[in-house]
Amino acid sequence: GQSLEQPSEVTAVEGAIVQINCTYQTSGFYGLSWYQQHDGGAPTFLSYNALDGLEETGRFSSFLSRSDSYGYLLLQELQMKDSASYFCAVRDRAGGFKTIFGAGTRLFVKA
Amino acid sequence: DTEVTQTPKHLVMGMTNKKSLKCEQHMGHRAMYWYKQKAKKPPELMFVYSYEKLSINESVPSRFSPECPNSSLLNLHLHALQPEDSALYLCASSQDAGGPGYGYTFGSGTRLTVV
Repeated sequence: GQSLEQPSEVTAVEGAIVQINCTYQTSGFYGLSWYQQHDGGAPTFLSYNALDGLEETGRFSSFLSRSDSYGYLLLQELQMKDSASYFCAVRDRAGGFKTIFGAGTRLFVKA
Repeated sequence: DTEVTQTPKHLVMGMTNKKSLKCEQHMGHRAMYWYKQKAKKPPELMFVYSYEKLSINESVPSRFSPECPNSSLLNLHLHALQPEDSALYLCASSQDAGGPGYGYTFGSGTRLTVV
């Protein structure tokens, strides 16, 4: 099976940088994704890492270390609109390709 | 068109009713998914369709019956549901179930209440 761990809540101030960590266990790791979900909204794809290293997309960056089964999402220049839940999700090829979500990290951005 | 459209947005049904949720995408994606999401919980995978064939059923009760009439449409037929099935049902699509890690595009969901 698969398991993912991420912090349940993170609070930061506007303009700051925040890092949301994710550790995972899976037998057929294929990649790690990050999704953002605002209350009442649908998950929105942010980034995907299949290989070790950093991927940057605007204010958001995502990092993966396959040897450590670890990744993180880095949000820079935080804005109030970044207050949302952030899910790491592992793509697993065991038993057919599927994407399994972590429990989510609720980010609160304060003024 | 870069959207996944789900209908209806809200649905209230009795435990003896039969209803269907619909999902449509016109991005040429060949993989489509149903997820269930309870409040303050992550999306939970139910079914995966790849090239219009059911490839994954995550041990979902038979009162949920998926159908993929063509590459753009995905239905979820509901029958004899229980109140605990009340949740947000999300449809998603991606270019390929087994290919490179393109992200999933999610629809806005159907909020289902079983009474």
